[in-house]
Amino acid sequence: SQELEQSPQSLIVQEGKNLTINCTSSKTLYGLYWYKQKYGEGLIFLMMLQKGGEEKSHEKITAKLDEKKQQSSLHITASQPSHAGIYLCGASGAGSYQLTFGKGTKLSVIP
Amino acid sequence: ETGVTQSPTHLIKTRGQQVTLRCSSQSGHNTVSWYQQALGQGPQFIFQYYREEENGRGNFPPRFSGLQFPNYSSELNVNALELDDSALYLCASSLSGVEYDFGPGTRLTVT
Repeated sequence: SQELEQSPQSLIVQEGKNLTINCTSSKTLYGLYWYKQKYGEGLIFLMMLQKGGEEKSHEKITAKLDEKKQQSSLHITASQPSHAGIYLCGASGAGSYQLTFGKGTKLSVIP
Repeated sequence: ETGVTQSPTHLIKTRGQQVTLRCSSQSGHNTVSWYQQALGQGPQFIFQYYREEENGRGNFPPRFSGLQFPNYSSELNVNALELDDSALYLCASSLSGVEYDFGPGTRLTVT
């Protein structure tokens, strides 16, 4: 079965700083999803990447997919307190609708 | 907001009891998935329904069952509750089968 490892597990940054969260898969990635979750709440869809080398941005968040390394990264520029939360990467396998998730990265932004 | 609603928000049950959780998806979203998220973990896939038929199941015992209705609502039923069933239960619906909108979740506590 596919496993996703996220790093770091937690991150505390000063407001205005940049940061990167990584997600590494044990198997080939066919679809990589990034979600944000406030503690105990539902998941908010951020981005989905499907092709190797693909890069997407939304506001100050950029995600990239390195198909060869079976890895994705999420980069936040000039972090704000509103960016605080748990970031989850999820992956779908070939012909599979099931999403496998990493354990999440907890981000705290200090004003 | 994603347009996916779940009820109830919180629920406390006793070991051995049965519980039904509900999810209401957006019109046209004929695919619904259910996930279990234990504290500090990523969501785990329970099963998926497409046009009222179960078409995929994760590593969960048969006491976890579901239903999907023509009006895009669905249910997750859990029989013979165990303490380890305490978790946040999330439903996710999709129009395309590729991108999923998650609901806010139901927090189940089993005592």
